[in-house]
Amino acid sequence: EPEVTQTPSHQVTQMGQEVILRCVPISNHLYFYWYRQILGQKVEFLVSFYNNEISEKSEIFDDQFSVERPDGSNFTLKIRSTKLEDSAMYFCASIISDSYNEQFFGPGTRLTVL
Amino acid sequence: DAKTTQPTSMDCAEGRAANLPCNHSTISGNEYVYWYRQIHSQGPQYIIHGLKNNETNEMASLIITEDRKSSTLILPHATLRDTAVYYCIVRAYGGSQGNLIFGKGTKLSVKP
Repeated sequence: EPEVTQTPSHQVTQMGQEVILRCVPISNHLYFYWYRQILGQKVEFLVSFYNNEISEKSEIFDDQFSVERPDGSNFTLKIRSTKLEDSAMYFCASIISDSYNEQFFGPGTRLTVL
Repeated sequence: DAKTTQPTSMDCAEGRAANLPCNHSTISGNEYVYWYRQIHSQGPQYIIHGLKNNETNEMASLIITEDRKSSTLILPHATLRDTAVYYCIVRAYGGSQGNLIFGKGTKLSVKP
C-alpha cells in the first residue's frame, strides 16, 4: 500500500540553525500539507501546497518557514532560524485531488531545538 | 478553532462497541463530518466521513443525526489497538485548501 514517508524521523538542532524536513508524498497525489504538533497539544495546520505554490498558510507559517517541491517526488519544509518553540512533531500529508476525502499522513519528524 | 466538541476521554472494554460522540451544532450545509485518529504520536489516520446519511466502512460506522448537529463514531468490536485519540472534524468538501482543523479529540482507552 502506498504511503507518505518522512525523513529524518528525529532531528536535533541548535537554536538559530536552519533545518530542512523532507517528505515523499504518495506518487500520484497533487495536494500537499504540513502540520505540526507540539508535545501534548493539538495537531496544527501550517501550510498547503498545490501546483507548485502555496494554497493556504496559517498564522504559524511566518517568514521563517518555507516549502518547496524541488523535484517530482520530494516536498520539503525549511525553518530558517530555529527557535526553542519550534520543537514539535512535524507531519506531512498528501491527497490525490481536491475532490477526494482521505488525507494520508506520514509518520512525522520529531524536531528538537536545543 | 475547531467547530466540534468531543468528550476528553472514554474507556471501552475490549470486544465491545465503542461509541464516540461529537457535537457540531454550527455545521453548514456544505460541510462534511470527518473522523481521524492518532495512535500514540503517529501521523493521524483517516477513518470515515459523511454528509447526512449514515456511513459504514471496514473500520467503523458513522451515525449523523437528522439535524446534522451531532454524530457518533462506532467501532463495532474495539481492540487494544484501537486505543488512540479520535478527532471529529468538520470541513467543506473539496477545494484546494483542504486543511484539517484538529481539536483536542477524545482519548479512547480500550481495556482488556
